[in-house]
Amino acid sequence: GENVEQHPSTLSVQEGDSAVIKCTYSDSASNYFPWYKQELGKRPQLIIDIRSNVGEKKDQRIAVTLNKTAKHFSLHITETQPEDSAVYFCAASVGSARQLTFGSGTQLTVLP
Amino acid sequence: EAGVVQSPRYKIIEKKQPVAFWCNPISGHNTLYWYLQNLGQGPELLIRYENEEAVDDSQLPKDRFSAERLKGVDSTLKIQPAELGDSAVYLCASSSGLADRDTQYFGPGTRLTVL
Repeated sequence: GENVEQHPSTLSVQEGDSAVIKCTYSDSASNYFPWYKQELGKRPQLIIDIRSNVGEKKDQRIAVTLNKTAKHFSLHITETQPEDSAVYFCAASVGSARQLTFGSGTQLTVLP
Repeated sequence: EAGVVQSPRYKIIEKKQPVAFWCNPISGHNTLYWYLQNLGQGPELLIRYENEEAVDDSQLPKDRFSAERLKGVDSTLKIQPAELGDSAVYLCASSSGLADRDTQYFGPGTRLTVL
């Protein structure tokens, strides 16, 4: 089955700096890659996703890049703010969103 | 639009007791998922329903866990008897199944503590 590895497990940045979280996946058939943000005690919330027919997608301060050849994808957050502090999970799925395999999460802390 | 609803939000029980969790998905979402999330880890799928049919329950510990979605809408996940290692957050999610636009939306979860 699919295996998703996520790095780093913790990341601290100064407010205003950029943050990058990377994930690799094992199944070359995977074609859907969402990113979820989970604040302490709250539900995971989708922040951005990408499907394998595009290499990059951007939404305001967040962007995701996908390299299907290398089987990795990354989340980029620019101009970080304290409210960006949370755990971020990447996931990968074959065919649709129905078979998500999640990474182990990255605790992002934005220092004021 | 109402999101995925779960209840209870918190549950504390003693080991060997039964416990049940309830989930109501987003209206119109045919696919429903139950996940287990241990502290500091990503969600792990327990079971996936397409309407009322369980199409992926390979990770569900069937000796003590059971689930049902009788009318293809809301769902119940049960543990009987609970063990200490079952302490975790149980997340429910739903998705519409629409090709190229399918996205999983999560509920707030039920935090289970087994004493």
